[in-house]
Amino acid sequence: QKEVEQNSGPLSVPEGAIASLNCTYSDRVSQSFFWYRQYSGKSPELIMSIYSNGDKEDGRFTAQLNKASQYVSLLIRDSQPSDSATYLCAVHSGTYKYIFGTGTRLKVLA
Amino acid sequence: DAGITQSPRHKVTETGTPVTLRCHQTENHRYMYWYRQDPGHGLRLIHYSYGVKDTDKGEVSDGYSVSRSKTEDFLLTLESATSSQTSVYFCAIRETSGPAGELFFGEGSRLTVL
Repeated sequence: QKEVEQNSGPLSVPEGAIASLNCTYSDRVSQSFFWYRQYSGKSPELIMSIYSNGDKEDGRFTAQLNKASQYVSLLIRDSQPSDSATYLCAVHSGTYKYIFGTGTRLKVLA
Repeated sequence: DAGITQSPRHKVTETGTPVTLRCHQTENHRYMYWYRQDPGHGLRLIHYSYGVKDTDKGEVSDGYSVSRSKTEDFLLTLESATSSQTSVYFCAIRETSGPAGELFFGEGSRLTVL
C-alpha cells in the first residue's frame, strides 16, 4: 500500500463546475496535509494546507480533512480552464518527512 | 517567492560523468530538501538537510551525495551519472512559521543522462 494515494485521473469537469480531488494516507500519526498544484513543466505550487479535522476555505478552494478515515480532499468551486493541472497531495509525518502522492490530473473543459 | 534558485536548469550529460546540481536560497531557512520527480512515482525524497553540515538520506539516496557548507547552498552530486538518474530534480525549503512547516519548491533542474 502506498503511503499517500491519489487517483491519477484525468478528472474532467466542465467550466464552472466543482472539481473534487481525493487523497488517502496510511500513517495515522500524520499531522499536517498539503495540496500543491503543478502545471506541466513547472514546479509544485502550494495552494492549501490543513492541520485540523474539518474544512478550510481559501477563495475557490476548500480543503477537507478527516483523520479518522485518513482522508483529505480538495474542492475547487467554479472551476476554470486555468485550473487544469496536476494536483499533488502531501502528508507530513515526523520531523522532516513529507510524503507526496503521484497526483491527480484535472482537466477543466471550456 | 521563497527565494530559491536552482542551477543548472537543464543539463544533458553522459553516463559515468559527475554532475552537481545547486540549490541556493536567500531567506536563511534551516531545512532544505532534494526531490526527484518521475512519471508514475511522484516526488521522492533523495536527501535533506537540517542545518549546515547536517544532512540525512531520503528514500532514494543511492547514487547521490549532498553537501551543505553554507546555510544558503545545498548541493546534490551524482558521482557517476546513470540513465536511471534522468529526471527532474526539485529543491525545496521548509517554512517553519506554521504548525508543521510548508515546503516551497525551486523551479527544477531537468537532467538527461545519455
